[in-house]
This record gives sequence, structure tokens and C-alpha cells, in this order.
Amino acid sequence: EPEVTQTPSHQVTQMGQEVILRCVPISNHLYFYWYRQILGQKVEFLVSFYNNEISEKSEIFDDQFSVERPDGSNFTLKIRSTKLEDSAMYFCASVWASGSTDTQYFGPGTRLTVL
Amino acid sequence: GDSVTQMEGPVTLSEEAFLTINCTYTATGYPSLFWYVQYPGEGLQLLLKATKADDKGSNKGFEATYRKETTSFHLEKGSVQVSDSAVYFCALSAVYNFNKFYFGSGTKLNVKP
Repeated sequence: EPEVTQTPSHQVTQMGQEVILRCVPISNHLYFYWYRQILGQKVEFLVSFYNNEISEKSEIFDDQFSVERPDGSNFTLKIRSTKLEDSAMYFCASVWASGSTDTQYFGPGTRLTVL
Repeated sequence: GDSVTQMEGPVTLSEEAFLTINCTYTATGYPSLFWYVQYPGEGLQLLLKATKADDKGSNKGFEATYRKETTSFHLEKGSVQVSDSAVYFCALSAVYNFNKFYFGSGTKLNVKP
């Protein structure tokens, strides 16, 4: 069964450094999402992406964050200057179509630790 | 805005016990409702979903019914197994919210042999 993959599984970085989290969505999917889950808290929406542009972003997704689909397969989340509070599990998701009945498929997550 | 509220965990049950995890939602329209499961060290896996009122989603012995009158989508299983130990997330998605998912805080289930 096709699946969403994410790399790395765990990233440790120093505060102020840039990190890039990578995702490979399911190949025929058109809509892509990033979510994050701070330890012990709920999963929160960050951003959605369609047709090579952001379709919606949350208030969490400030100027430190950016997303890109650099080629036909990867979908990346960049945090320009990491803060301690960026430590979280980051999930990528993809879906073929954007109807409300469509299931989003989630990757296994990247655990980001900012020291 | 839209939101999902789940019962606090952890929930600890003995094998073969009956499981209920409560989920209620607040929505301005008519969302689709989902249950996702997260096993230790893994990502979120879809467990079941329901797309309109009175629909029942079911999978692997788990069931949940979309109740518009009580704005609920409680997860049930008649006989839990040790392998069901995981964190369960209720979520909603709606076209008027660009189909982004709103998740509950998750309920950890521990099943003892």
C-alpha cells in the first residue's frame, strides 16, 4: 500500500539554526499538509499546499516557516531560525482530492528537538 | 471555530473489556468525522470515518456513529486486545475550513492481559 514517508525520523538542532524536514507524499496526491504535535498536546494544523502554493496557513505558521515542493516528489518544511518551542513531532499528510470526505494519509513524523 | 473534545486519558482496561472513548465536536457546518490511531513510535493511521449524520464507521472491531443531535462521535469496541494499546485521536474536517483537520487531544488506551 502506498504511504507517506518522512525524513529524518529525529532531528536535533541548536536554537537559531535552520532545519529542513522532508516528506514524500503519495505519488498521485495533489494536496499536502504539515501538522505538528508538541509532546503531550494535540495535533495542530500548520499549512496546506496545492498547485505549488500555500492554500491556507495557521497563526503558528509565521515568517520563520516556509514550504516548498522542489521537485515532483518531495515536500519540505523549513524552519529558518529554530526556537526552543519549535520542539515537536511534525507530520506530513497528503490527499488526492480536497473534499471533506477524503482521508488524509499521514507520514510517521519527524521528531524535532531544539536545544 | 471548529473544535474537537475528547475524554481525558489514560484509559486502562483488561483484555476483552468493553471500550468507549468519548468525542464531541463543535462545528459551524457539517464536517466529516474521523478516528485516527497512533501506535508507539509510529504515525497517525486512519481507523474509521463517517461523512454524514447517522453514518457508522467501522474497522477492526471498532465502531463510531456520527450523531448530529448530540454532536458526538464516540469510539467503541466490544472486546479490546493488548494490541489495541495506542493513542486514539478524534478529528474533523470540513470543506468550509479548506479540509484541514482539527484533532482532539488524544486518549491513551492501555490494555492489560
